[in-house]
Amino acid sequence: KQEVTQIPAALSVPEGENLVLNCSFTDSAIYNLQWFRQDPGKGLTSLLLIQSSQREQTSGRLNASLDKSSGRSTLYIAASQPGDSATYLCAVKEGGNEKLTFGTGTRLTIIP
Amino acid sequence: NAGVTQTPKFRILKIGQSMTLQCTQDMNHNYMYWYRQDPGMGLKLIYYSVGAGITDKGEVPNGYNVSRSTTEDFPLRLELAAPSQTSVYFCASSYSERGGGEQYFGPGTRLTVT
Repeated sequence: KQEVTQIPAALSVPEGENLVLNCSFTDSAIYNLQWFRQDPGKGLTSLLLIQSSQREQTSGRLNASLDKSSGRSTLYIAASQPGDSATYLCAVKEGGNEKLTFGTGTRLTIIP
Repeated sequence: NAGVTQTPKFRILKIGQSMTLQCTQDMNHNYMYWYRQDPGMGLKLIYYSVGAGITDKGEVPNGYNVSRSTTEDFPLRLELAAPSQTSVYFCASSYSERGGGEQYFGPGTRLTVT
């Protein structure tokens, strides 16, 4: 059974710093991995989708990497801003079924 | 382009009542999904649909029903509401021939059963 873990559960960093969020998964036979952000009381906003054949994806100040063999993905946020404060979720999709398995998220706070 | 919309935003139900959560997407996506999010537990898939007229169970389908009569709409029906169904419900959609597309989520419905 696929399990997705995100550590730490919460992270606070000063504004302007670069930071890395971690996501690990137990079964490397994934189809793709998606990073989301969730603001309090809101829905999920898709940030980046990495297909299993890709090693990384970039969007603006965000860069996500995928290492299937080690069961890890990282989300790198450059030059953090207070508006980046949110909970960040990763989710993996396995081939052969429609289920996304979600981690429980990292709650990020950027301190002005 | 409104994306994925959900109604209502909030609802309180008494035990044993029933209700339908509405979900509509205007992106012409073929895949649609229903998830529930419980505190500290991560999102779990309830039901999904790969196209109009086709639905299938996810990880936690008990106590729920769905239908997909059009590409745009994917309502979730709760029959005989129970306290265990207190949760935040999210609808999502994606476009892909094999279901591997990026999923887009609605704003959620916060449901309390008392």
